[in-house]
Amino acid sequence: GNSVTQMEGPVTLSEEAFLTINCTYTATGYPSLFWYVQYPGEGLQLLLKATKADDKGSNKGFEATYRKETTSFHLEKGSVQVSDSAVYFCALSVQGGSEKLVFGKGTKLTVNP
Amino acid sequence: DSGVTQTPKHLITATGQRVTLRCSPRSGDLSVYWYQQSLDQGLQFLIQYYNGEERAKGNILERFSAQQFPDLHSELNLSSLELGDSALYFCASSVTTYSRWTDTQYFGPGTRLTVL
Repeated sequence: GNSVTQMEGPVTLSEEAFLTINCTYTATGYPSLFWYVQYPGEGLQLLLKATKADDKGSNKGFEATYRKETTSFHLEKGSVQVSDSAVYFCALSVQGGSEKLVFGKGTKLTVNP
Repeated sequence: DSGVTQTPKHLITATGQRVTLRCSPRSGDLSVYWYQQSLDQGLQFLIQYYNGEERAKGNILERFSAQQFPDLHSELNLSSLELGDSALYFCASSVTTYSRWTDTQYFGPGTRLTVL
């Protein structure tokens, strides 16, 4: 089946620190990969996505590269801010049948000033 | 603001009751998805509609049903509610292109259901 495994938090960093949140996937087919972010009390927002191998998604200083050989899509940011505190979800969608998103369990990030 | 609206924002009800959650997709989006977010199960896909027709079912209980109306809004009906149904219910919509698995799904703010 299709599944996503991401590092479980919580992750606590100081402002301007480097962030990596690991995400690996298993898919029967060729997936599209997504990172969504959920701020406290809000719904999920798309942060970035990549739809084919070696694609790099980027947005608001966050980046992730679709690595087919390692089945990974790790999220990185060079310098986090307090406003980046949120829960981050890695997800995939596979061609064929439903286009449902399969989510990882989420990683809670807290950035301290 | 994603453009997806959900009502109500909060719902508190008792076991055994029935509730209806409503979702309006972004203008032009034909697909609507329902997801359940709970502490123990995480984010789980429930059901998808495309242009009024059911397209896929996930981990949706038989006590739950949904439909999409001609104006493309959708309703999720939850009946015979149990304590374990307490969760955040999200609706998402997407435009649905030819390469559907690459489409971005836009999420609403969610309905928090509390069953007492």
